[in-house]
This record gives sequence, structure tokens and C-alpha cells, in this order.
Amino acid sequence: EAGVAQSPRYKIIEKRQSVAFWCNPISGHATLYWYQQILGQGPKLLIQFQNNGVVDDSQLPKDRFSAERLKGVDSTLKIQPAKLEDSAVYLCASSYPWGYQETQYFGPGTRLLVL
Amino acid sequence: GNSVTQMEGPVTLSEEAFLTINCTYTATGYPSLFWYVQYPGEGLQLLLKATKADDKGSNKGFEATYRKETTSFHLEKGSVQVSDSAVYFCALSDGVQGAQKLVFGQGTRLTINP
Repeated sequence: EAGVAQSPRYKIIEKRQSVAFWCNPISGHATLYWYQQILGQGPKLLIQFQNNGVVDDSQLPKDRFSAERLKGVDSTLKIQPAKLEDSAVYLCASSYPWGYQETQYFGPGTRLLVL
Repeated sequence: GNSVTQMEGPVTLSEEAFLTINCTYTATGYPSLFWYVQYPGEGLQLLLKATKADDKGSNKGFEATYRKETTSFHLEKGSVQVSDSAVYFCALSDGVQGAQKLVFGQGTRLTINP
């Protein structure tokens, strides 16, 4: 079974530029998550989708971050304009909501450096 | 809100040493508890989990017991190997059924020397 795919793996941009990350979840997984992991910290949830609807985006900085999940499969996370403090690893995860405690499967992440 | 606190790293041990990584949590209700591991250059992988009090999760020689009375979920391994070198994250599930997110600790970097 293929895992969660993410691209690109690395991205370097200057502040005020825009950037987009792509995620393809495990086939059949209805729930998709985007996490931000700043160096030395644990991942923090940015947004959670159930199929193509948003379940939780309470910690997404909506003035600069946006995300979509068209057709309930792939997802794109965008930052516009980027700030220095956005330098982090962006992790995508997916889960199949089977039962109460779903296990989340993570992709390799996209490492973003904002100069 | 709910939170997780892990012991500060980095932790450096010799091969075959005993490992403990402390994790405590603050939560309302009865969350599930998880340990995730991140090997160099790879994504987070679920190591083990426990869904209710007194449950013991185990995998690859690692164990952790859900202790409600001490709000802890310490990770242990009796004899570590060089291949166990990684960053370990303790996490809890937060939210209602079907809309759960993970709340992570800050991670503990473990290095095992031969």
C-alpha cells in the first residue's frame, strides 16, 4: 500500500513570496490533516478535512494560509505572502475514520525555508 | 486546553542500555495516547498507542502504559540498539469522534552509541 505522498520535499523562498505544497493521501482515507512542525517543536495542526469539507481550521492563520481539498482526495496548502516565521516542516497525514480512535499516517513532509 | 509534556532531550545512551522517556499529559476526558517516532529524513511513524487507562501499548521492544492516576505515558525499552536513534514524540488525541486531532509534545531526540 502506498503511503502519504508530499511534494516538493524542500523549498526555499524569500519573504513575501508565495508557495504551495501538495499532498496525496493513502487511497480510501477520508480524513486529511496538515500540520506545521517548527524546528525543536512537535507538530501543530493547521487544518483538518473530512472528505472535502473542513472539520477544524481554528489554528490556521487565515490571513496568509489557505488550503483546499478538491474532490476529497488530493490537497494543497498555500502560503501567501510568506513570513520568516513560516520556516518549518509541513506535514500531511491521513486516516480512515474506522471506529473511534483513528490512526494517522504521515507523509515525509515539505521543509520550507523563508529567507 | 489539552497538552503533552515530554522530558527534555537530547538523550544519549550506549547500546543495550535501558531507555525511559517521560511523558505526562493534561486532558479533559479520556484521550487515547500515542508514541510516534521520526527517523532521520523520514516522516512520523506510529510506534504504539493505548486507548484507555491501564492499557499497555507495545511494538519493536518498546512499551508504554496509560497511567490515569499519574497522567503519564512513559516510553521504555529494555535494551536499545543503534537503529533506535530517532526523535520520539508523545501525543494525545483531542476532539470528538470523527474529528480528532493529535496534540504533540515537543519531541525527544535519542542517540544510541555503539
